[in-house]
Amino acid sequence: GENVEQHPSTLSVQEGDSAVIKCTYSDSASNYFPWYKQELGKRPQLIIDIRSNVGEKKDQRIAVTLNKTAKHFSLHITETQPEDSAVYFCAASIRHTNAGKSTFGDGTTLTVKP
Amino acid sequence: DAGVTQSPTHLIKTRGQHVTLRCSPISGHKSVSWYQQVLGQGPQFIFQYYEKEERGRGNFPDRFSARQFPNYSSELNVNALLLGDSALYLCASSLGPVNQPQHFGDGTRLSIL
Repeated sequence: GENVEQHPSTLSVQEGDSAVIKCTYSDSASNYFPWYKQELGKRPQLIIDIRSNVGEKKDQRIAVTLNKTAKHFSLHITETQPEDSAVYFCAASIRHTNAGKSTFGDGTTLTVKP
Repeated sequence: DAGVTQSPTHLIKTRGQHVTLRCSPISGHKSVSWYQQVLGQGPQFIFQYYEKEERGRGNFPDRFSARQFPNYSSELNVNALLLGDSALYLCASSLGPVNQPQHFGDGTRLSIL
């Protein structure tokens, strides 16, 4: 089955710096890659996603890049703010006979220091 | 508009008991997926239902079962509870079954004593 590895497990940056989180996946059939932000005690919230026919997508301070050949994708957060502190999860989704199964990474705990 | 709602929010059970967790999707969403999230890990896929049919199943034992109702709400049932079943159970809904953005509920925190 699909395996998603996420690095680093923890990341600490100064406010205003950039943060990069990387994920690799094993199944070349994966074709949808969402990123979720989960604050302590709250639900995961979709922050950005990318499909396999696109190499990069940007939404204000957040961007995601995808390298299908290398089977890895990354989340980039620029001009970080303390409210960006949370656990971030990547996921890879495979289409199998009219169903989508998402495999999540183990998360990155991002701390933005004021 | 209401988001994905799950009930109950917290539940305490003992080993061997069974539990039923409930999920109401966002209005208009026909696909519901269930995930188990153990502390410190990402959500693990359990089931996906679409149009009342099971469309996907993760690597969970047969003690786990689910169903989807005509109004697209869903139940997750777990029998013969084990200590290792203690986790946050998340429900996510999406418009369709394939590669659609999923919206999560707040989850049900299940503790097994």
